Amino acid sequence: ELKVEQNPLFLSMQEGKNYTIYCNYSTTSDRLYWYRQDPGKSLESLFVLLSNGAVKQEGRLMASLDTKARLSTLHITAAVHDLSATYFCAVDNYGQNFVFGPGTRLSVLP
Amino acid sequence: DTEVTQTPKHLVMGMTNKKSLKCEQHMGHRAMYWYKQKAKKPPELMFVYSYEKLSINESVPSRFSPECPNSSLLNLHLHALQPEDSALYLCASSHATTAGEETQYFGPGTRLLVL
Repeated sequence: ELKVEQNPLFLSMQEGKNYTIYCNYSTTSDRLYWYRQDPGKSLESLFVLLSNGAVKQEGRLMASLDTKARLSTLHITAAVHDLSATYFCAVDNYGQNFVFGPGTRLSVLP
Repeated sequence: DTEVTQTPKHLVMGMTNKKSLKCEQHMGHRAMYWYKQKAKKPPELMFVYSYEKLSINESVPSRFSPECPNSSLLNLHLHALQPEDSALYLCASSHATTAGEETQYFGPGTRLLVL
């Protein structure tokens, strides 16, 4: 059974600081995704990571994938208040199932 | 047009009612998805349609019945729901890019309350 974990589940950080969210998964997978969800809103796709060593960056967010360790990271650089949201990773197990992590609730304080 | 639309936005129904949720996309995507999301929880995949055929059914109770009438439309028919089925129902679509990625585009969701 595919299980996806995220760490931490809650993160409160000051503006201007850096931090990393971790996503671990239990079986080999086809693709790993990162999403953002604002309160009461739908999901916004951030990154799709396909292969070992993949790194993608968009603005203050950078995602990477280590398939051997079954680990993905979402790194936040110089956080700003607008990044406050819940961040989910999700794993696609070769089309057999698609499982989300529990989410990391990020709060960026001024 | 990079939008997935869902109707209605909100729905209140009794346990004996029959209702339907509708999802539409005009991006030429050939995969469409239904998710259920309870408050403060991650989305849970319910159904996947690929090329208008049901490819994944994540052991969803039969009171939820999906339908894909054509490549742009996805319906979720609801009958005899329970209060615990109250949730945000999200529709998504995807189409592999030339790089092999499968970005999913999500609709705004239908917030369902079962009384």
